[in-house]
Order: sequence, then C-alpha cells, then structure tokens
Amino acid sequence: GIQVEQSPPDLILQEGANSTLRCNFSDSVNNLQWFHQNPWGQLINLFYIPSGTKQNGRLSATTVATERYSLLYISSSQTTDSGVYFCAAEGRSNDYKLSFGAGTTVTVRA
Amino acid sequence: NAGVMQNPRHLVRRRGQEARLRCSPMKGHSHVYWYRQLPEEGLKFMVYLQKENIIDESGMPKERFSAEFPKEGPSILRIQQVVRGDSAAYFCASSPSQVGYEQYFGPGTRLTVT
Repeated sequence: GIQVEQSPPDLILQEGANSTLRCNFSDSVNNLQWFHQNPWGQLINLFYIPSGTKQNGRLSATTVATERYSLLYISSSQTTDSGVYFCAAEGRSNDYKLSFGAGTTVTVRA
Repeated sequence: NAGVMQNPRHLVRRRGQEARLRCSPMKGHSHVYWYRQLPEEGLKFMVYLQKENIIDESGMPKERFSAEFPKEGPSILRIQQVVRGDSAAYFCASSPSQVGYEQYFGPGTRLTVT
C-alpha cells in the first residue's frame, strides 16, 4: 500500500511564528487529508486536498500531486495550535483506505 | 448537520469482557470506516463497511474482532474477550461514497482494558 512520511517529527514554536509541515507519499492519490489531533485526542479535519491549494484562516495547504508531496502552513501560530498533525493518503491502488503518516508533534510556547 | 457520532467516548473493560463501540455516520453517508490508534503505532485502517455489507476487513485482527453496519442503526465494532493490548483509541469515519471522497472522523472511543 501507499507509504506516507511526515517531517519533521517534532516542532517547537514561539507564539506568532510561522511553520511548514511536510508530507511525502509514495503513490498517486485519490484523496489526501490533513488532520489535527488536539490534546483531548480528537481528530479534527483540516483539509481535503488531493491537489491544489486551500486556505482556512491561519492554515493553508498545498498538494503537488505530480511530485507526491503536500505541505501544511501554519501562520502566526497560537498555543491552541499545539497537538499532533497527521497527513493521510488514499492511494490509487488502495481504494478508500487512508494510510496515515506518523505525525508531526507541534508545541507552541507563549 | 451533525457530525459523526461515536459512543461511548470512554470505555473501561476488564480482561475477558466484551466491548461494543458504536458509530453513527453523518447524515447521508452510507460508507463507514474504522481505524485504531495504538500507543506508539499510529493510526491504522481496520475495516470498511457499507449498509449490511463488509467491503474490506483486511485490517481487522483475525480473532475476537467483528464489525457490522445494519440496515437500521449505527455501525458496531465488537471486541470479544478483550486483552490489555486492545487498549487504544478507536475512530470511526464516514463518507458519502467510496473512492476519493473526504472521510469525516468521529471523536473516537478510548478503550481501556484493566
């Protein structure tokens, strides 16, 4: 099945800083999603982005499907942005199963 | 439009008991997926169901685990004779169709086996 790798594994930010999280995947995708797992363990859908660019407030994401990577941008980070960010991909040969990366743990300090 | 509902949110079972986890998909969604998040192992696909059909259970452990999605009512993930290694967060997701559609996740059920 499709392999999903995320970097960096950990990120410590000062409040107000910007950051970029990366997701590489090993196959063409039908679906690519970004999630935020908050400190209570809930998975929050951030973006559905198999290709192109989307923005939602201080977050934006870009997927370059032909080069098999996606980027999540956090601007003007806040302490509430802390948590684990997951990328998940549904490969063309996987059909409907999302394969998750190991996540990037983001800590935003006041 | 209510999101994906899961209950209970927290479940404590002693070794050997049965655990039943319930998932109600978003309105209009007929495709349900279960994922498990084990400590130190990340999120893994378990099973994909449509109404009254199991489409893919390739991620389910071979024994003690079963899933259903009846014509009426929620999807159920059932774990018989639980062991400590079953302690994990179990997430349900739903989508309006299959290939390529966004999956919407519920808040999860945290199972603790004592």
